[in-house]
Amino acid sequence: DTAVSQTPKYLVTQMGNDKSIKCEQNLGHDTMYWYKQDSKKFLKIMFSYNNKELIINETVPNRFSPKSPDKAHLNLHINSLELGDSAVYFCASSPMGLAGGGEQFFGPGTRLTVL
Amino acid sequence: SQQGEEDPQALSIQEGENATMNCSYKTSINNLQWYRQNSGRGLVHLILIRSNEREKHSGRLRVTLDTSKKSSSLLITASRAADTASYFCATGTIQGAQKLVFGQGTRLTINP
Repeated sequence: DTAVSQTPKYLVTQMGNDKSIKCEQNLGHDTMYWYKQDSKKFLKIMFSYNNKELIINETVPNRFSPKSPDKAHLNLHINSLELGDSAVYFCASSPMGLAGGGEQFFGPGTRLTVL
Repeated sequence: SQQGEEDPQALSIQEGENATMNCSYKTSINNLQWYRQNSGRGLVHLILIRSNEREKHSGRLRVTLDTSKKSSSLLITASRAADTASYFCATGTIQGAQKLVFGQGTRLTINP
């Protein structure tokens, strides 16, 4: 009955590879997000989708491509992985949609290590 | 750019004492939220205070917001060992959807 789930939990890969992280929420929320948390615990928003439509794109390199097949899923595909991509990636969802202003529910995170 | 700055970066107190964490921000906001993150886990929402509110309570948590000073504080009363975690403030603005900008967090350790 996990609210926001992510797979995989850990991902170790070589530089230059392409990888995907999946996120699913069963809360019926309209809005989903991807965040990156670096080694200093600084958490920064990357993308936001509302009902499958991209709303926020925070100057993320175009090697990162989010995909939302339906409003319950928001996947993150990363091409040509670089050392600096190593971080913990969190998916989140929010019930507020475009009205905004509400709390966000976070997944457990995916720790990506690029070697 | 980072919106919130939290103070202190680390706080260590005895169980039963109160813990106060502060957050300052730079621009106008719609709301301010506090989250807790246990080691190796995702963030958990604690409390949300809107820009037109000054104080809010939830159980042992008390949050204040001073929009004139662009600052907020989180008070945890009667701390417990289970409160050991990192605490983040996040300022919320509406840009199509709600955008949260997080501070760098306060690492709170409660000593038994």
